[in-house]
Formats: sequence, structure tokens, C-alpha cells
Amino acid sequence: AQSVSQHNHHVILSEAASLELGCNYSYGGTVNLFWYVQYPGQHLQLLLKYFSGDPLVKGIKGFEAEFIKSKFSFNLRKPSVQWSDTAEYFCAVKSGGSYIPTFGRGTSLIVHP
Amino acid sequence: DTAVSQTPKYLVTQMGNDKSIKCEQNLGHDTMYWYKQDSKKFLKIMFSYNNKELIINETVPNRFSPKSPDKAHLNLHINSLELGDSAVYFCASSHHLSGGPGETQYFGPGTRLLVL
Repeated sequence: AQSVSQHNHHVILSEAASLELGCNYSYGGTVNLFWYVQYPGQHLQLLLKYFSGDPLVKGIKGFEAEFIKSKFSFNLRKPSVQWSDTAEYFCAVKSGGSYIPTFGRGTSLIVHP
Repeated sequence: DTAVSQTPKYLVTQMGNDKSIKCEQNLGHDTMYWYKQDSKKFLKIMFSYNNKELIINETVPNRFSPKSPDKAHLNLHINSLELGDSAVYFCASSHHLSGGPGETQYFGPGTRLLVL
């Protein structure tokens, strides 16, 4: 069974700092990769996704993620965070034959103004 | 305008009661899901329905029974509520179940269930 690891459970940054959240998965075949964000008290929203093509994916709100197949990774980045980026971030991976994605346990990001 | 909606948003109830959570999507999607998010924010799939048919039923107690009256609705009924059922329940939908490129899940706002 595939698994998804988000190593940083809690990240605290000051505004304008750069962000990188790690995501690693275990499946070796074709994968579809997602990052979702959950703002406090709200539902999950899609930030970005990778299906094929350019491994550097740009999403909403200035976020991007890079798929590195050799490292089984799909790390999320943002060059300069804002207070409004405070949220939970979930990485999800769907393998080629799977009906549903497997979610990581999430990373809680707190940005100090 | 809401894509995936759930009611109620909050549900506080006593142990042993029976309750239902409703979910509706207006996206024309074929597939709907129920997820449980526990206190540690871990998101676990419970059920998936495709065109009103149960496709995925993870290890969930029999007290949980999903019902899909039509493609746009997937309701969750819970019997004999227990303390451990306290969580946030998210409904989601996607265009198809095929798992092919382009498949993205759209989530509802969540129902915060507290069992006392």
C-alpha cells in the first residue's frame, strides 16, 4: 500500500520568510500529486496538482511544488509567506490504478505577522 | 454557487443518539466520498460512491451507513453515537472514479461532530 509522509508536523515562520514543506511517497509507478490547504475552520482547497509534464507546478497564491521522481518527493514552496498563509497543508498522492488519493497527516503552518 | 455543501455545519449530541449528515454537490460529478478528520488532523477515507453505487467501504463500524438517493447527494447516517466518533466529517466529490489524469476532489466545508 502506498504511504505519504509529511515530515514537518509544525512549522512556524515570520512573514516574508521562505517556505518549503516536504512530502514523500512510497509508490514507484505513475502518480498524481496534490497539495491541499485547510484554513482555520474551513474545508480543504486545492492549491496545486501534478499529473504529467513540467515537474515544476505553479498553484494559487504564489505556491509552487516540484515533483522529483528519483526522490519520490513533491515539496511545496513559497518564496515569501504572509500571515494569511497560516493553515494546515496536506499532501496527497494517487497511484495510477487507485480510485482515491492517500493523504499525508498534514503540516500545520503558523506565520507570525 | 456552492459546489459541495454539507449540513449541518456543527452537530453536538449525546452518546447513543442517531444522527445524519447531508451532502450535496452541484458540479455534476459522478463520484462522492466521505472522509473523517480526527483531532490530529489525519484525513481518512470512509466511503466512496460512484453513480449511487458503493465502491469503497473502508474499515468503518456498521453504525455508519451512507445513503446516496441520487448522484448529487451522499448522506451519512450514524447510529448509536460514541465518544470516539467526535471528529470533522468531510464530504467530497470528483468527476469520475477512474483515477485518470485531471481527477481532483472538491471538498465540502465539513461537519464538526461532538459527542458528549
